[in-house]
Order: sequence, then C-alpha cells, then structure tokens
Amino acid sequence: EPEVTQTPSHQVTQMGQEVILRCVPISNHLYFYWYRQILGQKVEFLVSFYNNEISEKSEIFDDQFSVERPDGSNFTLKIRSTKLEDSAMYFCASSVRGPYNEQFFGPGTRLTVL
Amino acid sequence: GDSVTQMEGPVTLSEEAFLTINCTYTATGYPSLFWYVQYPGEGLQLLLKATKADDKGSNKGFEATYRKETTSFHLEKGSVQVSDSAVYFCALHLNTGNQFYFGTGTSLTVIP
Repeated sequence: EPEVTQTPSHQVTQMGQEVILRCVPISNHLYFYWYRQILGQKVEFLVSFYNNEISEKSEIFDDQFSVERPDGSNFTLKIRSTKLEDSAMYFCASSVRGPYNEQFFGPGTRLTVL
Repeated sequence: GDSVTQMEGPVTLSEEAFLTINCTYTATGYPSLFWYVQYPGEGLQLLLKATKADDKGSNKGFEATYRKETTSFHLEKGSVQVSDSAVYFCALHLNTGNQFYFGTGTSLTVIP
C-alpha cells in the first residue's frame, strides 16, 4: 500500500543551523502539507502546497521556513536558522485532491534543537 | 477561532472494555470532523469522518456522531482490543481553507 515517507526520523541540530526535512508523498497525490506538534501540544498546520506554490500558510510559517518540491517525488521543509522552540515532531501529508479529502500522513521527523 | 478540544490522556483500559474519547469543537462555519489514529512508529491514519450534522462515521468498530447541538464528535468503541493501543486525534476542517485543526491527541493503552 502506498505511503508517505519522511527522513530522517530524528534530527538533532544546534541553534542557528539550517535543517531540511524531507518527505516523499504518495506518487499520484497533488496536494502536500506540513504540520508540526510540539511535545504535549496540538498538531498545528504549517503550510499547504499545490501546483508548485504555497496555497496556504499559517502564522507559524514565517520567513525562517520554506518549502520546495525540487523534483517529481520529494517535498522538503527548510528551516533557515533553527531556534530552540522549533523542536517538535514535523509531519508531512499529501492528498489526491484538496484538503477536504483524506490526507495521508508520514510517520514524522522529530527535530531537536540544542 | 476554530479549534478542537479533546479529552486528555493517557487512557488505560482492559481488553473488551468500552471506550469513549471526548472531542468538542469550535468553528465559525460548518466543519467536517475527523478522527485520526497514530500507531507506534507510524503516521497519522484516518480512522473515520463525518461531513455534516447527525452523520455517523464508523470504521473498525469505532464510531463517532457529529452533534451540532453539543458541538461534539466523541469517539466510541464497544469492546477495545490490545491492537487498539495508539494515540487518537480529533480534527476539524473547514471547507473554506486548507487547514486541519487538530486536538492534542489522546493516548490509549489497552491491557490484556
């Protein structure tokens, strides 16, 4: 069964460093998303991406964040200069059509900023 | 604003016990409501959904009814199994945007 994959499963970085979180959505999906969950808090929407551009982003998704689909399979989230408060689990998701339909989630990448 | 509040865990039940995980929502429009489940080491999986008031979503023995009058979407199962041990997330989606709004998740452990 097709699934969304994410790498790495755990990323440890120093404050101020750039990190790139990688996702491979399901191959025939057209909409892509990033969410994050700070430990003990809610899963929060970051950004949605369609047709090679951001379709919606939340207040959390500031200039430190960017997303890219560099080729036909990967979908990446870059954090330019990490802060301690960026430590969280980051989930990638994809859907065939718009977000009203089922979103398929990856297992997440745990980011730890020291 | 739009949000979801769900019962805090962790919840520990014996096998075959009845499960209820409460979820209430606040929404400016008419949301669709979802329950997602996350098994250890895996991603979030859609468990069930309901798109309008009084709809009942069901899957794998789990049920939830969209109650507009109480703004609730409580998850229930009559007889839980050890394999149901997971984290359960309530979520809502408004048709006007891309965002899902998730609750904090409720961890369920079922013991034999």
